[in-house]
Amino acid sequence: DTAVSQTPKYLVTQMGNDKSIKCEQNLGHDTMYWYKQDSKKFLKIMFSYNNKELIINETVPNRFSPKSPDKAHLNLHINSLELGDSAVYFCASSQESGGLAGTDTQYFGPGTRLTVL
Amino acid sequence: KNEVEQSPQNLTAQEGEFITINCSYSVGISALHWLQQHPGGGIVSLFMLSSGKKKHGRLIATINIQEKHSSLHITASHPRDSAVYICAAPRTGGGADGLTFGKGTHLIIQP
Repeated sequence: DTAVSQTPKYLVTQMGNDKSIKCEQNLGHDTMYWYKQDSKKFLKIMFSYNNKELIINETVPNRFSPKSPDKAHLNLHINSLELGDSAVYFCASSQESGGLAGTDTQYFGPGTRLTVL
Repeated sequence: KNEVEQSPQNLTAQEGEFITINCSYSVGISALHWLQQHPGGGIVSLFMLSSGKKKHGRLIATINIQEKHSSLHITASHPRDSAVYICAAPRTGGGADGLTFGKGTHLIIQP
């Protein structure tokens, strides 16, 4: 069973389109994250959700809107896609239920490679 | 917010060599993470440690909390160890903060 799954794995689209990436975890974790990995392979956090509530929105353009319908899902919707949005987006989860930050192992999804033409 | 520095950025070694990757961070933390990104792109957590040393197979991770420094060692390196190794630390002291990452070390082990 896949612990953290993302769909789609690849997404190629035109500038200006709206697209969504879905993420699901079956680990029973409280916290889910979206990370962006740029062309230089540098990972940076975008959002963190704990029990369906937004905890972090790390200076991400408001064209990016995360949605957490329940604890096991955190989807990422992107409006008006731009060339600079091309990257690999990773979803992750951890059992971070208000304890010391970063003391729980993070489990990553396989990533979604977004290419904006 | 924490800043994480890793070195070296690139490392090429021969099979069997002992490998060391270094990581330093700026803010006191509760735990430090080492991740491995395979050539295919997937990311897995190797270690999470808050003190001392942890060992898993040929991989050893150490941390010195006072010096804000951690190392990842690979003994008897093998071509299958070729990957990007990433050090990560909690962003701040709050819960559910997510991680801030080093730029990664691209390791190539040649047969």
